[in-house]
Amino acid sequence: AQSVTQLGSHVSVSEGALVLLRCNYSSSVPPYLFWYVQYPNQGLQLLLKYTSAATLVKGINDFEAEFKKSETSFHLTKPSAHMSDAAEYFCAVSLNNAGNMLTFGGGTRLMVKP
Amino acid sequence: DTGVSQNPRHKITKRGQNVTFRCDPISEHNRLYWYRQTLGQGPEFLTYFQNEAQLEKSRLLSDRFSAERPKGSFSTLEIQRTEQGDSAMYLCASSLSGSSYNEQFFGPGTRLTVL
Repeated sequence: AQSVTQLGSHVSVSEGALVLLRCNYSSSVPPYLFWYVQYPNQGLQLLLKYTSAATLVKGINDFEAEFKKSETSFHLTKPSAHMSDAAEYFCAVSLNNAGNMLTFGGGTRLMVKP
Repeated sequence: DTGVSQNPRHKITKRGQNVTFRCDPISEHNRLYWYRQTLGQGPEFLTYFQNEAQLEKSRLLSDRFSAERPKGSFSTLEIQRTEQGDSAMYLCASSLSGSSYNEQFFGPGTRLTVL
């Protein structure tokens, strides 16, 4: 079985500051890892994914994440926050099995202050 | 628009009523997933189909829930005798099996409110 823990249900940063959203996972086999963003009353949009290639993954809107197997982490970062980044962010894990269903963390709400 | 669509977007019902939601996946995608998201939580897996076959169901899917994908295209999720605890956002996603990581594309969701 796999699980995902997102530390910090709410994160607040100033516009232009570094964004760091934390994600730790547990998995019995090498996982696929994803970050999704959700704006109010909308579905989930994929930001980036780790699929066992490069450990540093770049996504849309200047987000990136680094897979660290020794730390079982997949933290999401962005060098400079924009007001439009305010949203809910979800880390998810999927096993390379027949179903590939996603297991999500509880989410982190990012607030960006002007 | 070639994304995943869900209807209705919002549904308000009284406790004990039956409701049905529809999901239309991306046309070439053969896998279809249903997730449930309650307020302040991440989505939780309910069930998935490959073509018309329902291959896995979560323990969250009680006997009051039934999902179908009769022709391997659109899917419906029915909840019978709704309870207030069923109030949630119901998300549908689709993907193409055989891709290396099974990227799932999500629809906008159906928000259910049970009064």
